Amino acid sequence: QVQLVESGGGLVKPGGSLRLSCAASGFSFRDFYMSWIRQAPGKGLEWVSLITSSTSYRDYADSVKGRFTISRDDANKSLYLQMNSLRVEDSGIYYCARYSSSSGLNLWGHGTLVSVSS
Amino acid sequence: EIVLTQFPGTLSLSPGEGGTLSCRASQSVSSRFLAWYQQKPGQAPRLLIYGASSRASGIPDRFSGSGSGTDFSLTVSRLEPEDVAVYYCHLYGSRWTFGQGTKVEIK
Repeated sequence: QVQLVESGGGLVKPGGSLRLSCAASGFSFRDFYMSWIRQAPGKGLEWVSLITSSTSYRDYADSVKGRFTISRDDANKSLYLQMNSLRVEDSGIYYCARYSSSSGLNLWGHGTLVSVSS
Repeated sequence: EIVLTQFPGTLSLSPGEGGTLSCRASQSVSSRFLAWYQQKPGQAPRLLIYGASSRASGIPDRFSGSGSGTDFSLTVSRLEPEDVAVYYCHLYGSRWTFGQGTKVEIK
């Protein structure tokens, strides 16, 4: 079954850290670029980060640059997002998604909820 | 920074009625990198249209996309109750940004 399953969300205090994971199955994970997108409560979608296949390039939204790190483990078909120095405005649902330059974000996970609050 | 502006904010349609959602870019973009997503309440987004006009796998043909340059549109030809959702346009490729969304509701 072709799917992405996120995990690792939770409640954390401002300034804290969290590591999100995304497990892929049913497709050749190593061949695809992968991305994280988030959605604040009741708000729209915000692109967070992208990693190319073979990890040759990573990119980040300005709002998370220097605080978040995207990585991947192709052997275990997993995508990660290390989030440090978390802020209240980082709260929301975090989705991982498969990306193709020919078809955009063509597969999404169900999301994992991150809450940053004191 | 390229900004995508979607309008209307909310589109109210009767079942079986057609309607058009618009997405305007602040500068000309390649239609090759313009997509539309559907997000039903409580669900993750789903790819509807990529390359401005190509339907993703499994998407009903009542959804169609068009446009070029700065103006793009998503048309629903005959609204079904299950089409109630928020629809987002998305620019990808070298620059990534989403529109703020258009909510489609049943009149």
